[in-house]
Amino acid sequence: SYELTQPPSVSVSPGQTARITCSGDALPKEYGYWYQQKPGQAPVLVIYKDSERPSGIPERFSGSSSGTTVTLTISGVQAEDEADYYCQSADSNGIVVFGGGTKLTVL
Amino acid sequence: QVQLQESGPGLVKPSQTVSLTCIVSGGSISSDFYFWSWIRQPAGKGLEWIGRINTSGSSNYNPSLKSRVTISVDTSKSQFSLQLRSVTAADTAVYYCARDVPDSSGWHFDYWGQGALVTVSS
Repeated sequence: SYELTQPPSVSVSPGQTARITCSGDALPKEYGYWYQQKPGQAPVLVIYKDSERPSGIPERFSGSSSGTTVTLTISGVQAEDEADYYCQSADSNGIVVFGGGTKLTVL
Repeated sequence: QVQLQESGPGLVKPSQTVSLTCIVSGGSISSDFYFWSWIRQPAGKGLEWIGRINTSGSSNYNPSLKSRVTISVDTSKSQFSLQLRSVTAADTAVYYCARDVPDSSGWHFDYWGQGALVTVSS
């Protein structure tokens, strides 16, 4: 299986825009997905199929894809957005891969 | 609203087998569309997908764990299960069950259980 690469940490001030990238060779062919995980909680899906937002997820969360990189953008970051964020994809055989996770710190 | 709940022993000795069960409620486990997956997370580390199954018995596993893993499903009890054999301390983790949704070019997890901590120690 292949790997997905994320930055270990991203820091932003409240109200600013946070961008978290995820790179992987299969991303031009396979969708990217994003999960938010707060301490002691299960992950929550925030973006699916590169840029779709599940119901109940605030509009400030958006996703995009370009080549081998997918990006999670959080506009107008709030303190409650501080969490770990994981990208996820799968290879052509359906084998799921997660990125190593990015810790978002709201300063 | 689909809900998933993991259960199983919290402590297992090295070389033994971990057996976990996930009960699905609020929705049918018997849909041919969805699959059901296990995912784990060691303390302070990232997520690792273990494998999936559907109620037709179709399954696939993470190649890194395939030789030690069996996932099964019991539709009469609305549950699916994980067996992980020959465990070591490296298998200590929170184990999550999740509903696995196929897309045209990918898979994602839309509902998750709360997680069950499994510690491997003598």
